[in-house]
Amino acid sequence: GENVEQHPSTLSVQEGDSAVIKCTYSDSASNYFPWYKQELGKRPQLIIDIRSNVGEKKDQRIAVTLNKTAKHFSLHITETQPEDSAVYFCAASTRTNAGKSTFGDGTTLTVKP
Amino acid sequence: DVKVTQSSRYLVKRTGEKVFLECVQDMDHENMFWYRQDPGLGLRLIYFSYDVKMKEKGDIPEGYSVSREKKERFSLILESASTNQTSMYLCASSSASRPREQYFGPGTRLTVT
Repeated sequence: GENVEQHPSTLSVQEGDSAVIKCTYSDSASNYFPWYKQELGKRPQLIIDIRSNVGEKKDQRIAVTLNKTAKHFSLHITETQPEDSAVYFCAASTRTNAGKSTFGDGTTLTVKP
Repeated sequence: DVKVTQSSRYLVKRTGEKVFLECVQDMDHENMFWYRQDPGLGLRLIYFSYDVKMKEKGDIPEGYSVSREKKERFSLILESASTNQTSMYLCASSSASRPREQYFGPGTRLTVT
């Protein structure tokens, strides 16, 4: 089955700096890669996703890049703010299995004011 | 706006008790999922369902069962709770048209003593 590895497990940055979180996946059939943000005590929420026919996607201060050949994808957050502090999860899935996704272990991002 | 609710935010049970965790979604989603979330282990899929009365095992089904008698409701059952089932349990749902975009409930923190 699919295996998703996420790095780093913790990341601390100064407000205004950029943050990058990387994930690798093993199943070449995976074609959908969402990122979820989970603030302390709250539910995970989808913040951005990318499909395998696209190399990069941006939404304001966040972007995701995908390298299908190397089987890795990354989340980029620019101009970080304290409210970006959260646990971020990446995931990978194929078209089969009714939406079943494999998640990474999560990255705890702390943005210091 | 999708709403996924779970019956309890916090639950304390004794070893050997039968435990029911309930999840309800109000968006007529076909797919529903149960995960457990443990520090450093990300989100691990226990069971999922893509239709009423249909269920499939996820990555860690041992010690759990599920029930889906109505489309909007997905129950997770711990037949005989054990201390290693102490965890945060998250329910999620997704539509058949966008199966991999999952919406999460607030979670139930279960403690088994």
